[in-house]
This record gives sequence, structure tokens and C-alpha cells, in this order.
Amino acid sequence: EVQVVESGGGLVKPGGSLRLSCAASGLTFSGYYLHWVRQAPGKGLEWVSSISSSSSYIFNADSVKGRFTVSRDNAKNALYLQMNSLRAEDTAVYYCARDRDTMIRGVIAHWGQGTLVTVSS
Amino acid sequence: SYVLTQPPSVSVAPGQTATIICGGNNIGSKNVHWYHQRPGQAPVLVVYNDNDRPSGIPERFSGSNSGNTATLTISRVEAGDEADYYCQVWDSNSDHVVFGGGTKLTVL
Repeated sequence: EVQVVESGGGLVKPGGSLRLSCAASGLTFSGYYLHWVRQAPGKGLEWVSSISSSSSYIFNADSVKGRFTVSRDNAKNALYLQMNSLRAEDTAVYYCARDRDTMIRGVIAHWGQGTLVTVSS
Repeated sequence: SYVLTQPPSVSVAPGQTATIICGGNNIGSKNVHWYHQRPGQAPVLVVYNDNDRPSGIPERFSGSNSGNTATLTISRVEAGDEADYYCQVWDSNSDHVVFGGGTKLTVL
């Protein structure tokens, strides 16, 4: 069975930090673009970060640039998101996701169930 | 930055055809992907590369893309199709993933 599982979410104060992790079973991350996508309560999907298969290319949304850092460990089949200087507007469910194939980036076929990050004092 | 525009809501009776549009500047030159998302669940890819379907997605789901508008068409709509639908592209000019604002499909 294919599973993508995020962890590390929780309640954090404004200005604080949090590290999200994502692990997959029955699905390989190696060779594929990986993404973080978030969804604020009652809102639409918002792309956060993408990382290429070898970590050579990393792209971030303007809203998180300089504060969030995406990384991956192909040996552990894992994806991470280090979030610093958190703001109330970062409150959202954060989804980890993998591309459908290795040929066209950005076709996001495999999603986790998400982990909730709440930024509040 | 590249912007995708979707209508907030679309309503359709069961058995009818639902059409959800996604507007973007020269979107016809990009590959457009569509997701549906039921409340409390993760998004699911239903159409990719304008008009391809992942395995397990019914033939009732189809897409088209030309000019400044991409379209997701759902034929013979069922109650289970009620969900939020998002269009998405990879904008190669900015190397950003871009989502539309989402369209809530209501089955009457």
C-alpha cells in the first residue's frame, strides 16, 4: 500500500520555528520532484516549495522565501521543510507531494494527508 | 507572477455535464492539470497534461486547453463528484507551481 505521511505539525508562537517531515512507503521519492503545498483553513491550495530529485534545483513561493527551507534525503525516502520566523498567515495544513513521473515536473500525483501547523500566541 | 482564475462555484444537476474553466494568460501554451478535493481530504489528480487521465479516474472526466482558457468537463455528473476543483500549471518563467483559486462544484 502506498503511503505518504507528514509529521511535525503543531502549535507554535509567532516568530518560532518548526520542522516538518514527510516519509513514504510503497512509493519511491528518488528520481522525482517533491513539493510542499499548504492550505489555510477554508482557503485554496497554495504552493510552498519544490525540490528536484538531486536537490540541485529548489524553488520557493515568494511568501516563504528566506524563511522556509526544503530538503530531502533520498536514502531515507524523506522530505523536510524547515520553517523559521513563522507568522499567523502560515497557519495551514501542509501537504507533502510527489510528481507523477520523472519526465514532466509539476504533475502532482501522490499526496499525503497533511499536517496542521498553527501559528498563534 | 502567473495567475490562474477560476469561478468560485458551479452547480449542476445529476446526470448533466459540468464545465469548470481556468483562465490564464496564454494558458494554451502550458500543460494544465486538474485536482479535486473533498472536505477533509487531500487533493486527487483527475486530469493532467490538459486531457490525460490517471488510472482509476473515470472517462467522464476530460479536459481541453486553448488560448487563454483551460476547461475541465465532467459528464454524467454524480453526487460523488461534489468537491472543490483546482487547476494548476508549472510556470516555467518563474519556476513556480501555480494553482487556481478553486471552484466548488455543487451537485443539485
